[in-house]
Amino acid sequence: ETGVTQTPRHLVMGMTNKKSLKCEQHLGHNAMYWYKQSAKKPLELMFVYNFKEQTENNSVPSRFSPECPNSSHLFLHLHTLQPEDSALYLCASSQDYVGLAVGAGELFFGEGSRLTVL
Amino acid sequence: DQQVKQNSPSLSVQEGRISILNCDYTNSMFDYFLWYKKYPAEGPTFLISISSIKDKNEDGRFTVFLNKSAKHLSLHIVPSQPGDSAVYFCAASEYGNKLVFGAGTILRVKS
Repeated sequence: ETGVTQTPRHLVMGMTNKKSLKCEQHLGHNAMYWYKQSAKKPLELMFVYNFKEQTENNSVPSRFSPECPNSSHLFLHLHTLQPEDSALYLCASSQDYVGLAVGAGELFFGEGSRLTVL
Repeated sequence: DQQVKQNSPSLSVQEGRISILNCDYTNSMFDYFLWYKKYPAEGPTFLISISSIKDKNEDGRFTVFLNKSAKHLSLHIVPSQPGDSAVYFCAASEYGNKLVFGAGTILRVKS
């Protein structure tokens, strides 16, 4: 298996549920990211982990809780979400976090997890 | 306030003709720009990039132009093919830090 894989691909949950999104990368990268894509809006960066350490939290509500147990795995734990949180959640990885300017850090995205909150 | 704007939500082009996708940015500190392509049910994939020290970068049918004074970049696809139909995202970064994305432009290439 290669690239960035995300599970589940689709998730429907109620506002009181607790669920988790999982991301796994097989590229040997050191940085992993969670992005949110809402309809007709730019991709919004949520969290960045570099060498398993969180380096960015883009003012994300606490009902979203990331976890990065190692450089290959990233989770997004979901709790007490709102209907407006319904979106496509994309995981990505890059060789390093700081390196985009030299062309060495293009992001590799997973296929996304389509979340619907009822 | 969006720092990267793609003002055209969609574009329709005839097969064989040129597709021009535009992107404007507001942060003059951005120094690296990328285009990503996204098919339905797939994640975005990197297409082409350009550093602020250049004004043009070419890769096969794809060319990106950067006009720093106008804070504008464009992606040209020549000739356009039906397989190019996808959503195209413009993105920018400052000093190698996090990418800021535009909202995307849907390209439809008609055969």
